[in-house]
Amino acid sequence: DAMVIQNPRYQVTQFGKPVTLSCSQTLNHNVMYWYQQKSSQAPKLLFHYYDKDFNNEADTPDNFQSRRPNTSFCFLDIRSPGLGDAAMYLCATSRDGREGEETQYFGPGTRLLVL
Amino acid sequence: AQSVTQPDIHITVSEGASLELRCNYSYGATPYLFWYVQSPGQGLQLLLKYFSGDTLVQGIKGFEAEFKRSQSSFNLRKPSVHWSDAAEYFCAVGGKGGGNKLTFGTGTQLKVEL
Repeated sequence: DAMVIQNPRYQVTQFGKPVTLSCSQTLNHNVMYWYQQKSSQAPKLLFHYYDKDFNNEADTPDNFQSRRPNTSFCFLDIRSPGLGDAAMYLCATSRDGREGEETQYFGPGTRLLVL
Repeated sequence: AQSVTQPDIHITVSEGASLELRCNYSYGATPYLFWYVQSPGQGLQLLLKYFSGDTLVQGIKGFEAEFKRSQSSFNLRKPSVHWSDAAEYFCAVGGKGGGNKLTFGTGTQLKVEL
């Protein structure tokens, strides 16, 4: 089945130690998104890739970076995780993204714990 | 700026009872509206969506939602709730004016009593 896959499902890191979260998709979608969801809160968009074009949200901290080496994979890098970065990180994809009349499909998420 | 309000943080219903979850949106252009469900520790699953046309949309798991432009609402309904429907429900708005961006409400936590 076509899907959005996130690895690992759970990630524990130490304060200040860089960490990378992975997302892959078999949908061949053009757009990939990263959301941060803190406990009991709505998902918050961090950034998205339209093909190879990176689009950062204005309030996304510089500590968060992303890479998309090809259509299928997208990575979220947290350069120096703080305790406040503990959250669920959700990856999503959509087919094209230019007109807005699209559905975003979400992966199962990676829960990040910062010690 | 686009925004979504889900006025009910928690709702408890008995199994077999009907359900309505409220969603109000603010959007400057034609809105595209979505309902997603999230089980504990899981990602978001799409229940249904509205882009245009018939204002009453049917989704998976027996859910439906009605778009009411005059009230800026997109309420989610189910005639008979099952215990497995216990989860968190998010309403979201997007559209041409906002490009790819989805704005989510803060969610409604549904508890089902047996």
